[in-house]
Amino acid sequence: NAGVTQTPKFQVLKTGQSMTLQCAQDMNHEYMSWYRQDPGMGLRLIHYSVGAGITDQGEVPNGYNVSRSTTEDFPLRLLSAAPSQTSVYFCASWDRGHDTEAFFGQGTRLTVV
Amino acid sequence: AQTVTQSQPEMSVQEAETVTLSCTYDTSENNYYLFWYKQPPSRQMILVIRQEAYKQQNATENRFSVNFQKAAKSFSLKISDSQLGDTAMYFCAVIWGNYQLIWGAGTKLIIKP
Repeated sequence: NAGVTQTPKFQVLKTGQSMTLQCAQDMNHEYMSWYRQDPGMGLRLIHYSVGAGITDQGEVPNGYNVSRSTTEDFPLRLLSAAPSQTSVYFCASWDRGHDTEAFFGQGTRLTVV
Repeated sequence: AQTVTQSQPEMSVQEAETVTLSCTYDTSENNYYLFWYKQPPSRQMILVIRQEAYKQQNATENRFSVNFQKAAKSFSLKISDSQLGDTAMYFCAVIWGNYQLIWGAGTKLIIKP
């Protein structure tokens, strides 16, 4: 199993450009989330999904869109990049149960100039 | 709102000493999952230990153990016989009933030789 595959690893965007961060998991997990990590602020929840076709906003959703057309994929779209979106982004997936554990992608370092 | 708080931005101890990292949370729910994750400079998120809220017994994993105080909403991590490889950011996280995985701001732990 590959676990959670997140791409790209690094990205530089110009202000106003759009892009999609890809996230795919092969563990048949119901729950997936996107986070941004900024110094001193931990991981803040952007959007999350509790199953295919179901998404909801987290703490910092503005400027981001998500969709969950399949169980495996949960892409994050930046609609019009802003310097405030410079951050490290993580995708995570998990299922509830006795051995619940969140699995993470490798992270994407995004710089908006 | 359900929150997770880590009140120690940074800690440092000598190698082989014992260190305790604090985590408190706020929820009205009765069943949830608690975690400590380690993030070394590689950015990879590594599960250290997990605890299910309905279990009274504190979880242990080798040198790592937790002190889970459900009534006080406290979930501290104790690292015994600390090693240089324990140097990392440590995050406390909770999965709530609405399936959100929420994180504390993190504690930077430095183990000195």
